[in-house]
Order: sequence, then C-alpha cells, then structure tokens
Amino acid sequence: SQQGEEDPQALSIQEGENATMNCSYKTSINNLQWYRQNSGRGLVHLILIRSNEREKHSGRLRVTLDTSKKSSSLLITASRAADTASYFCATHNQAGTALIFGKGTTLSVSS
Amino acid sequence: DTAVSQTPKYLVTQMGNDKSIKCEQNLGHDTMYWYKQDSKKFLKIMFSYNNKELIINETVPNRFSPKSPDKAHLNLHINSLELGDSAVYFCASSQTLGQGRNTEAFFGQGTRLTVV
Repeated sequence: SQQGEEDPQALSIQEGENATMNCSYKTSINNLQWYRQNSGRGLVHLILIRSNEREKHSGRLRVTLDTSKKSSSLLITASRAADTASYFCATHNQAGTALIFGKGTTLSVSS
Repeated sequence: DTAVSQTPKYLVTQMGNDKSIKCEQNLGHDTMYWYKQDSKKFLKIMFSYNNKELIINETVPNRFSPKSPDKAHLNLHINSLELGDSAVYFCASSQTLGQGRNTEAFFGQGTRLTVV
C-alpha cells in the first residue's frame, strides 16, 4: 500500500529559482528519505531525516519534517537545469522491511 | 564499480514467453528488493529478501518468482509474460540495522521490459 504522497505532481521553474516539493505520509516513521530519479535511470538517495529531527541540510537541499502533520518538504535552492528529474519521498512500511515510495514530483528546470 | 547492477537493461519479448532479470550488489548489504515502476512512474514494492529469505511478497502474481542464491544476488523470473507486465523493474539493496531500521536503498539502473 502506498505510504507517501508528493505534491505537486509536476513543477516547472527557471534556473536560479527555488523548488519546493511536499510529501505526506500515513503511519509513524523512524525516518523519511528523499530520492531523485533522472530520466531512464535508477533512483539515487538524496537525504534522510530521522523522526526526531525537524530540519536537515545537504548542499542546496533542505528537508523539513513535521511528524505532527505527517509531512515533509524538500527545498532545492538556486535550481539548475541538471536538477531536472523526478523526486520521491519514501518511508519504511510498519515492519521496516521495505521502502514505500510516493508518486513523485516531476521537476523541470529551464535555462 | 557499479554498486547494484541488473541485466539486461532492455528486454523485449512476446506474450507467453518466460524471461529472467538478474541483479547483483557488491555493497555487502543483507537486504535486496524488486520494485516495479509503471508508466506513471509509480514505484511498487514486489519482493523483499533478507539474507536470502523472502520477507515480502506484495500481492504479486505467482508467475513472478524471485530467487536469491546468496546475499549478493536476487534474480527475478517471470513466466507466461502478459502485456500488463510491461514496466521498468528495479532491483535495490540496503542494510538492516535492527529494530526495524534500514539504511538508505541503492538502486540498479532498471530493466525496461516490453511485452508485445
């Protein structure tokens, strides 16, 4: 069963702008992860935020987590054309035996 | 060196055929997965193996049979292929940390299966 839901489904911005993607999930979590998928490629892990963390940074990425609202956001600052990809949030199922992915946000950054 | 490699990258076959997709990871992880990604990019977990033992089988037709000869390999065999099996199949691996926690997952490049 699907755990996360990203929003928006698609986002188009200009280079240099910031991109914000949101994710909502249903059950309690140990951590929440964000992945990127370039066209025709596999998923690549971007960042993991633990349930006791509220914010985490990695380069131009900023992730927030609100466990009371069961939601997370991924902010990409100063976007580049190379950031064009699909972005997925993921959480573990209740047994912790598999990552369950949301439907993803497709980001297009034009130069 | 590729961390998670799967072959073939592309597979075109006729309905009714049987095919296999191979996956190998050199990360020393103890958990491997198969995911199916449909045309709308929705990723659905199919199977999860931990130390060669099946942990998850998510309502996948029994035409799909995973086989894990050792911790580093998880192959997927599909019998009697149907049009609806057309999708991209991803292999992934992660390490179990205990207490229901896992590290991040590493994915292969995917196998685009087209059934005609």
